Amino acid sequence: EVQLVQSGAEVKKPGEPLKISCQGSGYGFINYWIAWVRQTPGQGLEWMGIIYPFNSETRYSPSFQGQVTFSVDKSLSTAYLQWSSLKASDTAVYYCARQRITMTSDAFDMWGQGTMVTVSS
Amino acid sequence: DIQMTQSPSTLSASVGDRVTITCRASQTIRDWLAWYQQKPGKAPKLLIYKASSLESGVPSRFSGSGSGTEFTLTISSLQPDDFATYYCQQYNTYSFGRGTKLEIK
Repeated sequence: EVQLVQSGAEVKKPGEPLKISCQGSGYGFINYWIAWVRQTPGQGLEWMGIIYPFNSETRYSPSFQGQVTFSVDKSLSTAYLQWSSLKASDTAVYYCARQRITMTSDAFDMWGQGTMVTVSS
Repeated sequence: DIQMTQSPSTLSASVGDRVTITCRASQTIRDWLAWYQQKPGKAPKLLIYKASSLESGVPSRFSGSGSGTEFTLTISSLQPDDFATYYCQQYNTYSFGRGTKLEIK
């Protein structure tokens, strides 16, 4: 089955680090861009950025540049989203999503189930 | 940054109705537009890409149109499973609209 499976919900304190994961299966993981999307009740869906597993080329939204880091482990077909120091405002659901086509920008045709991150003291 | 303005934010309709949701881009995006459906607690699901191309497996009652800055998503005859929130997305710089919640009248 072609799917993206994300790691489970996290509850963290402000200032703590966090790394969440998104594992692809059933397709050529390294050949498709993986995007990260944040969803909060107040802001809807926000594109955070995108990474190409083949060579780890990364593009960050200006709103998230410097706030998060994307990475991949090709051997595990897994993409990661990490924070070095969480803030309460990072509380949200985070989705990974696969871009349809590699050679140009395109829509996201497959999504992970989402990871809920709660940051609270 | 390209802003996407969706309207209406909420839409009340009945089973069998024809409904249209509009999305306007702050600058031209050619046909680089997608529509997604999201149900509570679930990930978004791709319905339409390239403004008017139906994603595989999506019922034909869904259709998209437009180019440049004005786009529409139409559901020709609402089914009970269609009550959800719909988002447009431009994939020039990937921003999303704020969503349209489709409610049962």
